[in-house]
Amino acid sequence: KQEVTQIPAALSVPEGENLVLNCSFTDSAIYNLQWFRQDPGKGLTSLLLIQSSQREQTSGRLNASLDKSSGRSTLYIAASQPGDSATYLCAVRPDRGQNFVFGPGTRLSVLP
Amino acid sequence: DTGVSQDPRHKITKRGQNVTFRCDPISEHNRLYWYRQTLGQGPEFLTYFQNEAQLEKSRLLSDRFSAERPKGSFSTLEIQRTEQGDSAMYLCASSLGGTYNEQFFGPGTRLTVL
Repeated sequence: KQEVTQIPAALSVPEGENLVLNCSFTDSAIYNLQWFRQDPGKGLTSLLLIQSSQREQTSGRLNASLDKSSGRSTLYIAASQPGDSATYLCAVRPDRGQNFVFGPGTRLSVLP
Repeated sequence: DTGVSQDPRHKITKRGQNVTFRCDPISEHNRLYWYRQTLGQGPEFLTYFQNEAQLEKSRLLSDRFSAERPKGSFSTLEIQRTEQGDSAMYLCASSLGGTYNEQFFGPGTRLTVL
């Protein structure tokens, strides 16, 4: 059974810092991995999607990497801003099927 | 707005009542997903449709839950005889399918069972 964990559970940083969020999964038989942000009481916003054959994806100040064999992904946020404050979730799609499995999220606070 | 929409946004009901939620996916997306999310947790997969066919169901989807996507467009999720443990945010997502398969989520329906 696929299990996804995220470390740390919560993170508080001053504005301008670069930071790394971690996502680990137990079964490396994945099709892709997707990073989302979620604001309180709202739905999820897609940030980046990495196919299993890819090593990384970049969008603006965000960079996500994937090491499928070791079951790890990281989300790097450069020059953090207060508007980045949200919960960040990773989700993996298995090789077979559509049963996406989410991690519990990392709650990020960027202080002005 | 061409994103995923859900209705209602909030629902308060008494234990034992039936409730139905609606999801309208992005129009060209043939894949539709339902998830449930409780406070402080990530979403949990409930079920998946490709066009009108329900292809996967989680064991979380007890016999009190039923989902439909009659014409391959909008979908409904019905919960019968609601219990307090059903209180959660119900999220819908859609994707185009194919190789890329990026999911796009709606704003969710917050269910409170009293």
